[in-house]
Amino acid sequence: DAGVIQSPRHEVTEMGQEVTLRCKPISGHDYLFWYRQTMMRGLELLIYFNNNVPIDDSGMPEDRFSAKMPNASFSTLKIQPSEPRDSAVYFCASSLGQGIGPNQPQHFGDGTRLSIL
Amino acid sequence: AQTVTQSQPEMSVQEAETVTLSCTYDTSESDYYLFWYKQPPSRQMILVIRQEAYKQQNATENRFSVNFQKAAKSFSLKISDSQLGDAAMYFCAYINSGAGSYQLTFGKGTKLSVIP
Repeated sequence: DAGVIQSPRHEVTEMGQEVTLRCKPISGHDYLFWYRQTMMRGLELLIYFNNNVPIDDSGMPEDRFSAKMPNASFSTLKIQPSEPRDSAVYFCASSLGQGIGPNQPQHFGDGTRLSIL
Repeated sequence: AQTVTQSQPEMSVQEAETVTLSCTYDTSESDYYLFWYKQPPSRQMILVIRQEAYKQQNATENRFSVNFQKAAKSFSLKISDSQLGDAAMYFCAYINSGAGSYQLTFGKGTKLSVIP
């Protein structure tokens, strides 16, 4: 069973450019989460979806950030325009239900390391 | 709001020895779940162990066990017979079990080094 798949693994781009991060959740999972990891702030939840519908985006830092989930097998996190302070590792995770059951934790992808020059 | 604190930014342990990583949390809820995740240099977040707050018995998974002290809001991770592959960042995490609560709150992490 394939895990959560994120692409690209690394992204380096110049300030002001649009960045799109992609995520394919585990098949059958009904929740999808986007996290950002930085040295200063650790792991922070940005937004999560239930059955493709955004439920809580209170963690999205600014209007420059947007996320979509057009179907159950694909989600994107977009930053436009990008800034150097957006440099971080972005993780996508998915779960069946709340992600607390003994066999239903949140499964994380390998993350995208984003560097904005 | 819930907070999770890991007071040890870095720890080291000799191979085959035992190490304990500390975690405290703050919540007004009575029903919740706690987790330890491992993040090796490959960046992948791997679930190590989980604990239900309503269970008094401490969770164990092979060489990994927890010491859950609900009244003290403490949730430490013990790694026995440490192996080189245990070297990683370890994150303590919390989630409410109430309806509508889906946010994992993470601590800042503890970097564990294993000395051969």
